[in-house]
Amino acid sequence: SQQGEEDPQALSIQEGENATMNCSYKTSINNLQWYRQNSGRGLVHLILIRSNEREKHSGRLRVTLDTSKKSSSLLITASRAADTASYFCATVLNSGGGADGLTFGKGTHLIIQP
Amino acid sequence: KAGVTQTPRYLIKTRGQQVTLSCSPISGHRSVSWYQQTPGQGLQFLFEYFSETQRNKGNFPGRFSGRQFSNSRSEMNVSTLELGDSALYLCASSLEQALYNEQFFGPGTRLTVL
Repeated sequence: SQQGEEDPQALSIQEGENATMNCSYKTSINNLQWYRQNSGRGLVHLILIRSNEREKHSGRLRVTLDTSKKSSSLLITASRAADTASYFCATVLNSGGGADGLTFGKGTHLIIQP
Repeated sequence: KAGVTQTPRYLIKTRGQQVTLSCSPISGHRSVSWYQQTPGQGLQFLFEYFSETQRNKGNFPGRFSGRQFSNSRSEMNVSTLELGDSALYLCASSLEQALYNEQFFGPGTRLTVL
């Protein structure tokens, strides 16, 4: 079963707007990672946030983590056409991963309209 | 620095055959992980190798196996292929243990089982 579930499944916004995606997970984690996948560049690591961190920034990306709610959000500000892609959250369980390794959600498909 | 390379990029096999996929990590990276991506199940972790040892294994049958060589290159083998093994197989490398560090993904091998 999926550990992380992204919401919404699909999102379409105008270029220049902000996009927010959410990820919920079920069990205690060591860290949570966000990835982007598009046909041109494949799967790319965006941000890793550890369980003792609450917020991280990278350029136009902002990730928050709320371990009490078992949820994370990815905010992309000032969206561009090149941000069109599928975005996945992936979790590493607090047990050290063990047999589960890195568990991905099904992803949010983001479309940026020109 | 060259990225993660995977060969072959595309492969067509028939049921019952076996297949070997190859992955060359980024120079200096010691960890190689393998993932299976299908429309139905999404991205699923297969296994991780670190310094020639399997460190983590996902929930896949024993038909899926792998190994890592002293130069960190890795191979993944699937025996007795089934139709459901049709998928995009992604390899990722990282400097240290994959679960706690940024992973760099290759373009994948698209396997079709007829």
